[in-house]
Amino acid sequence: SQQGEEDPQALSIQEGENATMNCSYKTSINNLQWYRQNSGRGLVHLILIRSNEREKHSGRLRVTLDTSKKSSSLLITASRAADTASYFCATARGQAGTALIFGKGTTLSVSS
Amino acid sequence: DAGITQSPRHKVTETGTPVTLRCHQTENHRYMYWYRQDPGHGLRLIHYSYGVKDTDKGEVSDGYSVSRSKTEDFLLTLESATSSQTSVYFCASRGAPTDTQYFGPGTRLTVL
Repeated sequence: SQQGEEDPQALSIQEGENATMNCSYKTSINNLQWYRQNSGRGLVHLILIRSNEREKHSGRLRVTLDTSKKSSSLLITASRAADTASYFCATARGQAGTALIFGKGTTLSVSS
Repeated sequence: DAGITQSPRHKVTETGTPVTLRCHQTENHRYMYWYRQDPGHGLRLIHYSYGVKDTDKGEVSDGYSVSRSKTEDFLLTLESATSSQTSVYFCASRGAPTDTQYFGPGTRLTVL
């Protein structure tokens, strides 16, 4: 079963606007990651936040993590048409070798 | 996606036939994973490997087997393909100690 659940399932915005996606998960984690998938392509890692971190930035990306609420958010500032993609959160429990557990994703459409 | 390739990229086969998908990585990563991606389900783990000849089952392993005889290659076999195995299959790899996974471009499999 999925560990993470993204919200909303779909998001449509204009270029220049900010996009916020949320992820909720069920069990304790070691870290949480966000991936992007362009249509017809593989997933690309965006950012990783560890369980002892509350906020992390990477370029136009800002990720927050609230372990008490078991939730995370991904903010993309000043969106561009090239940001159009599906975004997935994935959780890692920290056991050696175990795989990530992915949510179902948020589909972001940025129109120019 | 650099360093991870999948073959074939597309395959159409008939119910009951065996199918093998190949994943090849040049990153010397210890861990490798096979996922399937279906609408409404996100990515689900099929099998993973934590070293040569060391594999374990994931969430949706029924009907699939894997083998890893070399660090760089991870094979996924459908012994007798069924229509429910029509999906897009992604391979990923991870090098310790990072939790970041690197994905291949995917294989679209259609079982008629």
